[in-house]
Parts: sequence; structure tokens; C-alpha cells
Amino acid sequence: AQKITQTQPGMFVQEKEAVTLDCTYDTSDPSYGLFWYKQPSSGEMIFLIYQGSYDQQNATEGRYSLNFQKARKSANLVISASQLGDSAMYFCAMTGYSTLTFGKGTMLLVSP
Amino acid sequence: DTGVSQDPRHKITKRGQNVTFRCDPISEHNRLYWYRQTLGQGPEFLTYFQNEAQLEKSRLLSDRFSAERPKGSFSTLEIQRTEQGDSAMYLCASSFGQSRATNEKLFFGSGTQLSVL
Repeated sequence: AQKITQTQPGMFVQEKEAVTLDCTYDTSDPSYGLFWYKQPSSGEMIFLIYQGSYDQQNATEGRYSLNFQKARKSANLVISASQLGDSAMYFCAMTGYSTLTFGKGTMLLVSP
Repeated sequence: DTGVSQDPRHKITKRGQNVTFRCDPISEHNRLYWYRQTLGQGPEFLTYFQNEAQLEKSRLLSDRFSAERPKGSFSTLEIQRTEQGDSAMYLCASSFGQSRATNEKLFFGSGTQLSVL
């Protein structure tokens, strides 16, 4: 079975600062994928970034980067230069031989 | 708009009534997923279709729940004899996949918020 753990219920950051959202996972699948999704108050889940278990380099997508540490089974999301529009729920998720499994999420609030 | 669309956005119903939600996926996507999300939780998988075939169902999907995708395009999720515990956001997602690819990205709709009184 797959399990995703997000230990930070909420995070606060000031505009233009960087923030790291934690995610650890557990799986017995040899091949898996790790995702981060953003959910603003409108409810839609927005894809941010993907990391494959066999990828050698950490994934980056604009201001988002994924700090993948396979031995520690962690896949933290780093948001650089936070913007007010980044305030939202952030979910870590993974695939393997089963469908996408989500963590409980972290609420990020960006203040001016 | 070529994204995933869900209808209605909000549904308020009385306990014991039946409700039906609709999801229209991205047109070229062959896979369609239903998730349920309660307050303070991440989305939980309910079921998924590849084309018109329902390939997997979660234990969360009691016999009061039924989902269909009759022509491999839009899907409906019906809840019979609703209970207060069914109150949640019901999210639909679609993707294009052939095998069980670990990099398969799901595109989500904005969800249907169900409130059972």
C-alpha cells in the first residue's frame, strides 16, 4: 500500500521569500511517481510538478522545485519568491501500481 | 474551455434523496477518475474508468454509489439514499494513459460540493 505524509497543517511565509513544504512517502512499488498539486479556494486541483522515482535530477518547473531524497523517502516542494497568489492548499501525491494517492495537504498563507 | 467540467458545482439535498453528478473529461482523454474530498483531507480515490470500462473501485464506494461512463466520454456518479456522511466535494479527473504509467498526470475539474441535510 502507498502512503503519503504531510506533517505541516499550515505554513506562513512573507511575499518574495522561499518556502519548503514537506512530504514523505512509503511504498513497496519499485517504480513510482511523485506529484505536487495546488488547490486554491475555487476547489480545482492544479498540477505543479512531477518527479519520477528513477529520475536522476530533481524536477523544476519555474518557481517550483522538488527536493527528492529517495533514500529518505522524501519529496519536499520548494517555492521560491513566494507570491500572494500562492496562498492555497498544497497536496503531495504519488502513483505506482495503483491510482494517485494524496496526502492530507498543507495550507500555505503568503503575507505581504 | 477544454478542461474537465463538472455539474452541478453545488448540490444541497435532504437525507434519503438520490443525487447524480456529471463529469465531462478532456475530449482526448481515455481515463476518468472520481475522487471524494472531505474537509481537511486530501482527495480519496473512489473509482476509475478506461474508456467505458470501470476498472477499479475503492472500498469507500458502498453499494449506494454507482458510476457509469456509457460511451467512454462523460461520466455520472449517483448516490442513492444519501446520508449526512456523504457530504463532501466530489472531484472528477481525466488523463490519457495506455499502461499503468507512473508519470500519468491527472487533470481535475472544480468539483461538486454536496451537502446532505
